[in-house]
Amino acid sequence: ELKVEQNPLFLSMQEGKNYTIYCNYSTTSDRLYWYRQDPGKSLESLFVLLSNGAVKQEGRLMASLDTKARLSTLHITAAVHDLSATYFCAVDLGTSNTGKLIFGQGTTLQVKP
Amino acid sequence: DAGVTQSPTHLIKTRGQQVTLRCSPKSGHDTVSWYQQALGQGPQFIFQYYEEEERQRGNFPDRFSGHQFPNYSSELNVNALLLGDSALYLCASSLILGVTGELFFGEGSRLTVL
Repeated sequence: ELKVEQNPLFLSMQEGKNYTIYCNYSTTSDRLYWYRQDPGKSLESLFVLLSNGAVKQEGRLMASLDTKARLSTLHITAAVHDLSATYFCAVDLGTSNTGKLIFGQGTTLQVKP
Repeated sequence: DAGVTQSPTHLIKTRGQQVTLRCSPKSGHDTVSWYQQALGQGPQFIFQYYEEEERQRGNFPDRFSGHQFPNYSSELNVNALLLGDSALYLCASSLILGVTGELFFGEGSRLTVL
């Protein structure tokens, strides 16, 4: 059974600091997704990582994928308050578009002024 | 370009009742997936519909059923509601032949079972 584990589960950080969220998964997969969720809201797609060594960046967020280590990271650079949200990684087991993503528990990020 | 839309946004039911949730996919998408998200948890896959048929199913009992219509919209039905069914139900749409398999989520329907 595929397991997806994120750490930390809760992260409180000061504005301007850097930090990394880790996502480990237990079964081989070449597809990994990062989503953001604001309280009471839906999931917003941040990054789609489709191959080993993939790196994507958007603003202060950068995501990477190491399929051999079964690890993805979401790096936050010079955090700002607007980044406060819950971040989920999700893994797709299938080789076709099954729509079946296995999500991690989520990392709640709180950025303090 | 309309994104994924869901209705109703909130509803309250009592144990034993039945509920129907509705979803319209993003324009151009042909596949709908449903997820259940309990408070403080990550979403869990319920099932996926394509060409009006259930294509994949997660570990949910038969009380959870669905339907997809010719216009690609979808319904999620839950019978004999239990307290544990209280959750945010998310619909996601995608393209069956899409390169990335990326899912686009709606705002969700928050179900409370009393």
